Amino acid sequence: NAGVTQTPKFRILKIGQSMTLQCTQDMNHNYMYWYRQDPGMGLKLIYYSVGAGITDKGEVPNGYNVSRSTTEDFPLRLELAAPSQTSVYFCASSYSPEVGTQYFGPGTRLLVL
Amino acid sequence: AQTVTQSQPEMSVQEAETVTLSCTYDTSESDYYLFWYKQPPSRQMILVIRQEAYKQQNATENRFSVNFQKAAKSFSLKISDSQLGDAAMYFCAYRSGGATNKLIFGTGTLLAVQP
Repeated sequence: NAGVTQTPKFRILKIGQSMTLQCTQDMNHNYMYWYRQDPGMGLKLIYYSVGAGITDKGEVPNGYNVSRSTTEDFPLRLELAAPSQTSVYFCASSYSPEVGTQYFGPGTRLLVL
Repeated sequence: AQTVTQSQPEMSVQEAETVTLSCTYDTSESDYYLFWYKQPPSRQMILVIRQEAYKQQNATENRFSVNFQKAAKSFSLKISDSQLGDAAMYFCAYRSGGATNKLIFGTGTLLAVQP
């Protein structure tokens, strides 16, 4: 049981490039989330999903897109990368809101130059 | 909108001593959950403890306990018998009682443990 896995661990992008951050969980959780963490700050929610085929915006969705075609995978797409998107990105999953516990992946550090 | 405030950017404690990290929050909701997450240098977020707002009893997990003051909207974390492995960034988080399970995080408190 690997939990929540994220790839890559670190990436450098040039301004205007695009990339996909991968997130996979093997706990059969319905709920999945993408957060970003800027230096010295707490995590902010980008997008979330309550099940396959269902996604919704969080607090800071601009510049990102998501899809959820399977229960296990929740990729985050960055189009036209900007320096403001330099951050650490965390994926998380949870079984149900009643339980309330989210399990986090190890994070992806992204640097946009 | 709900907010979470951690007013202590950094704290330090001697090994084996006790330390308390502060957290306050603002909400008009009556049904919600509060969490403390630990983020060690590896950056992975680890759940430390959870408190349901409807429970009057303070949550406890081994050396970690909370002081939940609902009327004051305060949710502090007490770490007893501090260990070197407790050194990390600690985040307080709030979740509404609704169905989406979205977490709102504070800015964190960096805890150093001195040997």
